[in-house]
Amino acid sequence: QVQLEESGGGVVQPGRSLRLSCTASGFIFRNFAIHWVRQAPGKGLEWVTVIWYDGSVKFFADSVKGRFTISRDNSKNTVILQMNSLRVEDTAVYYCARDHNGDGLGYFDYWGHGALVTVSS
Amino acid sequence: SYVLTQPPSVSVAPGETATITCERKTAGSYSVQWYQQKPGQAPVLVIYSYSDRPSGIPERFSGSNSGNTATLTISRVEAGDEADYYCQVWDTSTYHFVFGSGTKVTVL
Repeated sequence: QVQLEESGGGVVQPGRSLRLSCTASGFIFRNFAIHWVRQAPGKGLEWVTVIWYDGSVKFFADSVKGRFTISRDNSKNTVILQMNSLRVEDTAVYYCARDHNGDGLGYFDYWGHGALVTVSS
Repeated sequence: SYVLTQPPSVSVAPGETATITCERKTAGSYSVQWYQQKPGQAPVLVIYSYSDRPSGIPERFSGSNSGNTATLTISRVEAGDEADYYCQVWDTSTYHFVFGSGTKVTVL
């Protein structure tokens, strides 16, 4: 069955960096785009970024553009979210989610359980 | 930026029908999806492409669209349907994904 698992969450000071990983199993990973979606405590869902099936195209929300990067290793079924210059407002549960399509223009058909990132001094 | 407007809350008695709307105030999006999120859990896709239902989602969940308003309908509501529901679109002008603010469904 399709599974997505996030790792790397934790507590970090403002201005520092943190790297999240999303490891997938149960499907042909190289055929699907992967997204990150976050949810601040008590708030709604916010889309963060997407990387297409082959890593050739990436898009970012304005709130993280220039600070976050995304990459993937199809040989390891893994997507990496590198978060730099973290702010208090980046505190959230970060979910990785599979796109129904390879080109990242679909919808989120499977989600991981999420990783909590807390930015605090 | 693209805006999706949902009612903050909907209350419904067991066995009745819950209706949640999602108004798109800007043109230029593809289809609407709906996600269910129970407390402490990840979201689950319940409707895609306005009205299609993924395998495993009960037929009680249905979606429709009229003009700029998409609607999620939950028929014969059960206690287990109590959750937050989010609509979502893909903005064709920015290639970004947008969620509505969410609707909390309370089963009385």
